[in-house]
Amino acid sequence: RKEVEQDPGPFNVPEGATVAFNCTYSNSASQSFFWYRQDCRKEPKLLMSVYSSGNEDGRFTAQLNRASQYISLLIRDSKLSDSATYLCVVNENTGFQKLVFGTGTRLLVSP
Amino acid sequence: DVKVTQSSRYLVKRTGEKVFLECVQDMDHENMFWYRQDPGLGLRLIYFSYDVKMKEKGDIPEGYSVSREKKERFSLILESASTNQTSMYLCASREIDEQYFGPGTRLTVT
Repeated sequence: RKEVEQDPGPFNVPEGATVAFNCTYSNSASQSFFWYRQDCRKEPKLLMSVYSSGNEDGRFTAQLNRASQYISLLIRDSKLSDSATYLCVVNENTGFQKLVFGTGTRLLVSP
Repeated sequence: DVKVTQSSRYLVKRTGEKVFLECVQDMDHENMFWYRQDPGLGLRLIYFSYDVKMKEKGDIPEGYSVSREKKERFSLILESASTNQTSMYLCASREIDEQYFGPGTRLTVT
């Protein structure tokens, strides 16, 4: 089983739609969780952190379910500029606090 | 603004060549990382360093080595490049939980 699993997509949605991505992780000792965004041919950048019960930042909401070991990202009122790959990232809380990256979910927002 | 720079955006090398990829960060971070990113496999950790002259193997260190002689600089070395090392290489430095990535080097080994 992969350490961090995501649906690769692509998710094709119209502008204004609400879209949600899920991610599951295998290490129950993981303590912190993140969503990174990666544009085509660019480096990943931190979108938001997910601590305790979740986090909201404008149109973006991240939720954590420790019991089921998954996190989610909800994007409301999608914009064309939201088109990107969204990487789920887990801090495994081992000796070095290793970050484990999912393979990403691709989002395409169309006019 | 944190800045992580990599020496080249695109690189083409021949099989068997020794390849150096350089990474520099300007935020005095102790932790630095080298990843490769391939379609369908995501980001895989090659090596990391938590201090000058310290290095640790990541998940896929075979065929690579690293050097960290100064805090701001972390180099990835391919001792004898092979075609299966064709990939996007990303350097990162980290403060607490947030990792800052460089723009990447797309390496092609022919």
